[in-house]
Amino acid sequence: TQLLEQSPQFLSIQEGENLTVYCNSSSVFSSLQWYRQEPGEGPVLLVTVVTGGEVKKLKRLTFQFGDARKDSSLHITAAQPGDTGLYLCAGANEYGNKLVFGAGTILRVKS
Amino acid sequence: DVKVTQSSRYLVKRTGEKVFLECVQDMDHENMFWYRQDPGLGLRLIYFSYDVKMKEKGDIPEGYSVSREKKERFSLILESASTNQTSMYLCASSSTGGIDIQYFGAGTRLSVL
Repeated sequence: TQLLEQSPQFLSIQEGENLTVYCNSSSVFSSLQWYRQEPGEGPVLLVTVVTGGEVKKLKRLTFQFGDARKDSSLHITAAQPGDTGLYLCAGANEYGNKLVFGAGTILRVKS
Repeated sequence: DVKVTQSSRYLVKRTGEKVFLECVQDMDHENMFWYRQDPGLGLRLIYFSYDVKMKEKGDIPEGYSVSREKKERFSLILESASTNQTSMYLCASSSTGGIDIQYFGAGTRLSVL
């Protein structure tokens, strides 16, 4: 069974600070996705990374896929209150048709 | 835009009741999924379906069954609800081929008393 360890579980920071969320596994994934979920809503895809070593930027968010495709990180620069939410990483199996989710990181950005 | 609609946002049921959770997607996706989401555990896959009348067990299928009679509709059934099935249930759909991007419904928060 593939597992994804996500850390930290909770993060409470002040507006303007930087933060990094990590997802680690002993398994190799064909791709890795990051979702953001707001209260009362389903998760919404932020980004998909496919190639080992790949880095993608989405405004103040930087996503990295590890060289061995076993781990990933999400870095937020100058966090804002609007970034508050639950962040989930999800790894796709070799066929790409099933996802394994990390437990999630609850981020709270205080103004 | 892809739309995945779950029939209820909140449900309260009693122990032993049969519960139906409905999910409809409007993008002609082949794949549909049911997850439950619990604090600190992330999303856990209950069942998924890759075609009409086809289903496969996920990681935690015990106590659940599913039905997919039409491509756009995927139902989750709790034959005899128990208190440990109190949870948030999320439905998702995706197309076949390429990278699997799953689109989620807003979720059904089920309380079993």
